[in-house]
Order: sequence, then structure tokens, then C-alpha cells
Amino acid sequence: AQSVTQPDIHITVSEGASLELRCNYSYGATPYLFWYVQSPGQGLQLLLKYFSGDTLVQGIKGFEAEFKRSQSSFNLRKPSVHWSDAAEYFCAVGPNAGGTSYGKLTFGQGTILTVHP
Amino acid sequence: DAGITQSPRHKVTETGTPVTLRCHQTENHRYMYWYRQDPGHGLRLIHYSYGVKDTDKGEVSDGYSVSRSKTEDFLLTLESATSSQTSVYFCAIKGVRGLDGYTFGSGTRLTVV
Repeated sequence: AQSVTQPDIHITVSEGASLELRCNYSYGATPYLFWYVQSPGQGLQLLLKYFSGDTLVQGIKGFEAEFKRSQSSFNLRKPSVHWSDAAEYFCAVGPNAGGTSYGKLTFGQGTILTVHP
Repeated sequence: DAGITQSPRHKVTETGTPVTLRCHQTENHRYMYWYRQDPGHGLRLIHYSYGVKDTDKGEVSDGYSVSRSKTEDFLLTLESATSSQTSVYFCAIKGVRGLDGYTFGSGTRLTVV
């Protein structure tokens, strides 16, 4: 069964500092990997995704993530955090083929990011 | 952005009453999903649909049922609401390609008193 672990429930950084949010997954093959962001009271918005090729993927809002197969990780990074980045971030894993999986995604527990001025 | 709407946005209901939440899409996507979001649990899959009248259970389906009579609508019903079903419910849609991520609705905040 696929699973996702986000080890950090809550992270606090200062504005302008760099950020790394951790994500570890368990999956039988190379999965599709996603990061979503949720602002308070809002739905989830796709930040970026990985499905093959270059292991460093770029997303919206200046975020990037690196897929490391050997570590089963897909960590999210941003060089300089802005106050507007304060939100909850979710990592998700899904199947890389149709089959009978019907595209179901499994989400991590989420990491809440607080940004101090 | 993809067209997906959830209704109602907020609802308070009493224990034991039936409740139906609606998800409507205008993207003609095949796949639709219902998740619930609770602190410390992230999003957990309740039910999903892979076509009209084709639905199946997710990991937390007890106490919930779904129906999909049209491509655009996916209904989630709480047969007899309980306080443990107080949560935020999200609907999501997805295209047929594996690399398509989900597009989420804005959520329904349900309180069972």
C-alpha cells in the first residue's frame, strides 16, 4: 500500500530565510509525486508534480522539489520565503499508470508553515 | 482554472439526520473523489468515482454513501450524521492521465451537533 509521511507537523521560518519541507513516501514502483498548498479556509492548489525525467522540478510561486529515489523522498524547497507563503503544505503520491488504481492519491498529514516578519 | 464547485460551503446539522453534499464539475473529467480533512490526519479518501454509476470505497467510507448519475455531479451522503463526521469535506476531480493532479473544490465545512 502506498503511504506518505511528512515528519514535520509545524515549521516556523523568518521571512527571507530558506525553506525545506520533508516528504517521504512508500510505493512499489516509481510513483507520481505532488505538492499542494492550502491557504486558510481555502481548497488545495497544486504547486508542482514529478512523474519522470529530471529529478528537480520547478513549480509555481518559486517552489521546487527534488525526487530522490534512493531515499524515497520528495522534499519541497524555496530559497527565500515570503510572508504570503504561510499555509499548510501537503505531499501526495499516486500511481504512474491507470490500471485499477483510478488515479487515487494518498496524502501526507500536512506541514503548517508559519512565517515570522 | 477547472470548474468545480461544492455546495453547501457550510452546514450545521443535528446528530442522526441525513446530509447530502454536492460536487459539480464542468470539466467532463472521468474521476471524482471525496476526501475529508481533519487536523493531524491530512486528507483521507472517503469514496471515489471512475465513471457514471461507477463508484468505490476509500479508506474511511463507513457511514457514507455516494452517487454519480451524471458525469458532472458526485453526491456524498451521510446516512445518519454523527459528531465524528464533523469535518471539512473536499471534492476533487482528475483527468485520465496519471500525471494529472487533482483539482479541488473549495470545501464544505460540516458541523454535526
